Amino acid sequence: GQQVMQIPQYQHVQEGEDFTTYCNSSTTLSNIQWYKQRPGGHPVFLIQLVKSGEVKKQKRLTFQFGEAKKNSSLHITATQTTDVGIYFCAANFGNEKLTFGTGTRLTIIP
Amino acid sequence: SQTIHQWPATLVQPVGSPLSLECTVEGTSNPNLYWYRQAAGRGLQLLFYSVGIGQISSEVPQNLSASRPQDRQFILSSKKLLLSDSGFYLCAWSPLPDEQFFGPGTRLTVL
Repeated sequence: GQQVMQIPQYQHVQEGEDFTTYCNSSTTLSNIQWYKQRPGGHPVFLIQLVKSGEVKKQKRLTFQFGEAKKNSSLHITATQTTDVGIYFCAANFGNEKLTFGTGTRLTIIP
Repeated sequence: SQTIHQWPATLVQPVGSPLSLECTVEGTSNPNLYWYRQAAGRGLQLLFYSVGIGQISSEVPQNLSASRPQDRQFILSSKKLLLSDSGFYLCAWSPLPDEQFFGPGTRLTVL
């Protein structure tokens, strides 16, 4: 079936350290999206990547889409306490639905 | 602007009881609609999605069902709840096969 693997499952970092989460698919993707879920909240859309090798930045967040459109990463520079939450990638295989990764739960040690 | 509503926000139900969760979207027409379940601290499992009135696609065989009686209304139901049905139920809408906008969710506890 169409699955997307996301690692790591958990990440604990000191405030100010960097953080990266990765998603991989065995199948070429139409696009990949990233969402953030704050504690007790619902997932919120962050960004969508469509083109091979695409790199997008949002302040301290950098999103990459692999050349083969099978993998993606989210990198946060100099984490802050407001970055805590679960980060999900969501893969679109070319139909009406998204396949979400298992998520990476980020906790920040002040 | 578009908004998505879900109710109730929390629900505690006994095993074997029925379930009805409602989701409505305002400010858009003919959205794609989705139901997800999130177990505690886990990922999002797609349960159902709909691309139009009366059109329901089921992703996971289980004792849940979904209906879309109106363009902007999506209902998740069960005739008899199981303990394993506990979780955080999220409704989402999308204007296209594109970014999805999630509702606030319903936290269901089955005892």
